[in-house]
Amino acid sequence: QKEVEQDPGPLSVPEGAIVSLNCTYSNSAFQYFMWYRQYSRKGPELLMYTYSSGNKEDGRFTAQVDKSSKYISLFIRDSQPSDSATYLCAMKDNQGGKLIFGQGTELSVKP
Amino acid sequence: DVKVTQSSRYLVKRTGEKVFLECVQDMDHENMFWYRQDPGLGLRLIYFSYDVKMKEKGDIPEGYSVSREKKERFSLILESASTNQTSMYLCASSSTSSGRAYEQYFGPGTRLTVT
Repeated sequence: QKEVEQDPGPLSVPEGAIVSLNCTYSNSAFQYFMWYRQYSRKGPELLMYTYSSGNKEDGRFTAQVDKSSKYISLFIRDSQPSDSATYLCAMKDNQGGKLIFGQGTELSVKP
Repeated sequence: DVKVTQSSRYLVKRTGEKVFLECVQDMDHENMFWYRQDPGLGLRLIYFSYDVKMKEKGDIPEGYSVSREKKERFSLILESASTNQTSMYLCASSSTSSGRAYEQYFGPGTRLTVT
């Protein structure tokens, strides 16, 4: 079993839809939970991060962490064609700088 | 702005060749990483380094080696390239001393094809 599981999609939604992206994990030592966004032919960039449990909101994006269920989510409200990208969840414990990435979900938002 | 640069965007090599991929970062980051990215498999960590001349194996180090002689430069070496090493290679860096080790900065990637 992989430490981090993410549905690779692809996921296609109409413009304006609410998008939900999810990851599950098995390592209870993870404390940092990140979402990276990767546009085509580019490297990933950090979109949001959460430390420990709870919610975090940034504009149209909301990240949720439920440590009791070992489940994290990223919600995108009023999705736009410019949100079309691959979204990777990533996690880290309190030691060092190594991240564990999910497989990434490819999202396409159609005008 | 943090910048991570990689020596080539596209590279075509023959089976058995020795291949060098170079990565340079300009933000004095302690940590540097090499990943490969394949469809359906996501990002897989090959090697990483927390300091000059230090290296640690990631999840898939077989067939690869690395070198970190200077803090800003991290090289990935394919000793004898094989077709199953055809992939996108991504370099990343991060800073532990800033308290933001969760934020990795990635280069644009090198698409390597081994024929």
